Amino acid sequence: SQTIHQWPATLVQPVGSPLSLECTVEGTSNPNLYWYRQAAGRGLQLLFYSVGIGQISSEVPQNLSASRPQDRQFILSSKKLLLSDSGFYLCAWRTRQTSTEAFFGQGTRLTVV
Amino acid sequence: QKEVEQNSGPLSVPEGAIASLNCTYSDRGSQSFFWYRQYSGKSPELIMFIYSNGDKEDGRFTAQLNKASQYVSLLIRDSQPSDSATYLCAVSRDTGRRALTFGSGTRLQVQP
Repeated sequence: SQTIHQWPATLVQPVGSPLSLECTVEGTSNPNLYWYRQAAGRGLQLLFYSVGIGQISSEVPQNLSASRPQDRQFILSSKKLLLSDSGFYLCAWRTRQTSTEAFFGQGTRLTVV
Repeated sequence: QKEVEQNSGPLSVPEGAIASLNCTYSDRGSQSFFWYRQYSGKSPELIMFIYSNGDKEDGRFTAQLNKASQYVSLLIRDSQPSDSATYLCAVSRDTGRRALTFGSGTRLQVQP
């Protein structure tokens, strides 16, 4: 069966520090991968998506970036965090087939102080 | 106009009652429709997925889709206090990025 792992679960970082969040998917090949952010009391905002290794599309201009170095690995990064980067970061995957479900990882709660 | 609209609630129902959650969407090209349950501080958990008009039932949950009206709903029968959570509606096209667009969620409270 397919599983998705996301780490760390929580993170407290000072303003201006770098960020690296990692997501890996098991049990499937060539998935679509997504990074979402959820601000407190808000809906989920799509940040990045990837349809293959090295293929990244950004949905929202910001100081974050994403990379997909391997088929089932998706990384969210920042060189210098801002206070506004605080939030709940969620990785999701979906198969390439049409009309299929989408599943989320456990999420990373990021607090920038 | 938001792409996916949900009443924020809270929707309060007594234990054992039917909870009815509604969602409308603006993109007529949407092809897949999702309901997620999210407990406070946790990630969304998929509870229903539907892509054909009509009803889909899974245990106590029934999703209803009407593409002509751009409307999707979730019924929860025999509501339990453990159903108290925020329910997120999401839609997607099945071409291109196939990313999900979410509503802001409806908070459901089931009173014991």
